[in-house]
Amino acid sequence: DAMVIQNPRYQVTQFGKPVTLSCSQTLNHNVMYWYQQKSSQAPKLLFHYYDKDFNNEADTPDNFQSRRPNTSFCFLDIRSPGLGDAAMYLCATSSDEVTGYSYNEQFFGPGTRLTVL
Amino acid sequence: DAKTTQPPSMDCAEGRAANLPCNHSTISGNEYVYWYRQIHSQGPQYIIHGLKNNETNEMASLIITEDRKSSTLILPHATLRDTAVYYCIVRVEGDYKLSFGAGTTVTVRA
Repeated sequence: DAMVIQNPRYQVTQFGKPVTLSCSQTLNHNVMYWYQQKSSQAPKLLFHYYDKDFNNEADTPDNFQSRRPNTSFCFLDIRSPGLGDAAMYLCATSSDEVTGYSYNEQFFGPGTRLTVL
Repeated sequence: DAKTTQPPSMDCAEGRAANLPCNHSTISGNEYVYWYRQIHSQGPQYIIHGLKNNETNEMASLIITEDRKSSTLILPHATLRDTAVYYCIVRVEGDYKLSFGAGTTVTVRA
């Protein structure tokens, strides 16, 4: 089944130690997103890629970076994680093409839960 | 500013219809109403969306009032697996951003 895959599901890092979260998709969607969801809060968009074009949200800290080497993969890099960065990180995809999916419906992965010690 | 208002929580009985309200009194003419849900420890899942006509799919029905200032998501026969946080989002089609509000925590009880 086509899907959005996030690895690992759980990630533990140390305060200040760079960490990379991974997302891959088999949907061949041209848009990929990263959301942050802190405990008991709603998901918050950090940035998204439209094809190769990176779009940062205005309030996303510089500590968060992203890479998209190809259509299928997208990475979230946290350069110096702080305790406040502990959260669930959700990757999502969508497509411009009306392929039978609801237009602009976003498909989410299961998330990576990040713990910062 | 929140574009939608939803009750923080609601309970419903298994097998009964669950009616989830959402107010969006400032909705613009080109904004759609989207519903997503998030089951515990999973990513959000798209349910349905609509502009002004009522919509139905295999998961739910969406009823939008004529003035478009409010809507109701109907889960026709709630099951325990429908326990989740339900998010009502207004969004211009073509706008890639989904702005999640607080949502409604729905608990389906046996």
